[in-house]
Amino acid sequence: ETGVTQTPRHLVMGMTNKKSLKCEQHLGHNAMYWYKQSAKKPLELMFVYSLEERVENNSVPSRFSPECPNSSHLFLHLHTLQPEDSALYLCASSQDGGTQETQYFGPGTRLLVL
Amino acid sequence: AQSVSQHNHHVILSEAASLELGCNYSYGGTVNLFWYVQYPGQHLQLLLKYFSGDPLVKGIKGFEAEFIKSKFSFNLRKPSVQWSDTAEYFCAVRGSTLGRLYFGRGTQLTVWP
Repeated sequence: ETGVTQTPRHLVMGMTNKKSLKCEQHLGHNAMYWYKQSAKKPLELMFVYSLEERVENNSVPSRFSPECPNSSHLFLHLHTLQPEDSALYLCASSQDGGTQETQYFGPGTRLLVL
Repeated sequence: AQSVSQHNHHVILSEAASLELGCNYSYGGTVNLFWYVQYPGQHLQLLLKYFSGDPLVKGIKGFEAEFIKSKFSFNLRKPSVQWSDTAEYFCAVRGSTLGRLYFGRGTQLTVWP
């Protein structure tokens, strides 16, 4: 199933590096999401974009900077991260506004911050 | 704020055993309910969902879940598990209109052949 793709799948970075995570959805959806999945914790919603506008930002530190240039692409720019930011970062998409809206997830990027 | 509780963190079963994973949520209004599964090394996949109608929902791979509104529960069941069901299972609830999902912590299911 390749509805939502994410690159890279794995990333190791130092605390002073700058990197970007990419997400692409091929489902014709108009909403996209970034989640953080840490061990032993529920998935944490980070950002929501609907029709390319950011509609939710869940008190995420400014070292995480999202970008949504169009309805099919979503980026997460990373800079000066901390070791506690190591986690699996998941992208999802959905058709916003529908009464039976369902989110579909990508495979995630496993991030390790050293 | 909504919360979702999955009381079983790790469940270990033998093949052919019956499965029930608990999910309770705290939200008084109309809810949409989901179970997602994450097989080892794979992405989160939708297992089944409930929006309205028959509270007993059938999903893929022989899974089903029952919405009991009075108990704020949406437990996942399977009558006979297989080794290939080894995965992590996440319950999720949405009560708002903007697609925001609240997830439980997940239940790791290990099935021994």
